[in-house]
Amino acid sequence: GAVVSQHPSWVICKSGTSVKIECRSLDFQATTMFWYRQFPKQSLMLMATSNEGSKATYEQGVEKDKFLINHASLTLSTLTVTSAHPEDSSFYICSEKGQGGSTDTQYFGPGTRLTVL
Amino acid sequence: AQSVTQPDIHITVSEGASLELRCNYSYGATPYLFWYVQSPGQGLQLLLKYFSGDTLVQGIKGFEAEFKRSQSSFNLRKPSVHWSDAAEYFCAVGGGNEKLTFGTGTRLTIIP
Repeated sequence: GAVVSQHPSWVICKSGTSVKIECRSLDFQATTMFWYRQFPKQSLMLMATSNEGSKATYEQGVEKDKFLINHASLTLSTLTVTSAHPEDSSFYICSEKGQGGSTDTQYFGPGTRLTVL
Repeated sequence: AQSVTQPDIHITVSEGASLELRCNYSYGATPYLFWYVQSPGQGLQLLLKYFSGDTLVQGIKGFEAEFKRSQSSFNLRKPSVHWSDAAEYFCAVGGGNEKLTFGTGTRLTIIP
């Protein structure tokens, strides 16, 4: 399957600061990227979907001004958590669908553990 | 609206025993069905998927799943589990360009 990387794998920050998480597709061109968050012992909740060069589409209840998503190229998407607060602490996972191969399958990154103090 | 139900929150099996994880879905058309596995602190790895054709699909790590339209099910099976199979398993449904909907997951524990 396709390889997706995320950076950083974990981050600890102070309340009120912003954190940027990168998601890269290493061996294919990702036309669509997804960002999920996962609370302990729970399933994945889709936050937003982005297509390369377009604005992200956010799920209901997700603040677009707080969770900024940029999908500037076919290999890179970023999620910025602005003015983070302890309730934003979670496991954030990106996934990608791409050109070539199976375009109907999402490939997931390893996730980023965010802890806001 | 599409939905996925994984009725078993936690399953414990002995190493070497067979395994079946249940998944039921609700979807208006022909579903695309997936099973993913997640180890602690890790992302999701695709085990197998069903789009069309043969209803018994083979995946990685010796897993297989059978699509049964009449029962709206897509159960995951493995004839003999290994200690390394201990993880969280997620069933998901989606179609073409639609987003995936995940079940709540089944945690698998393997005892020696």
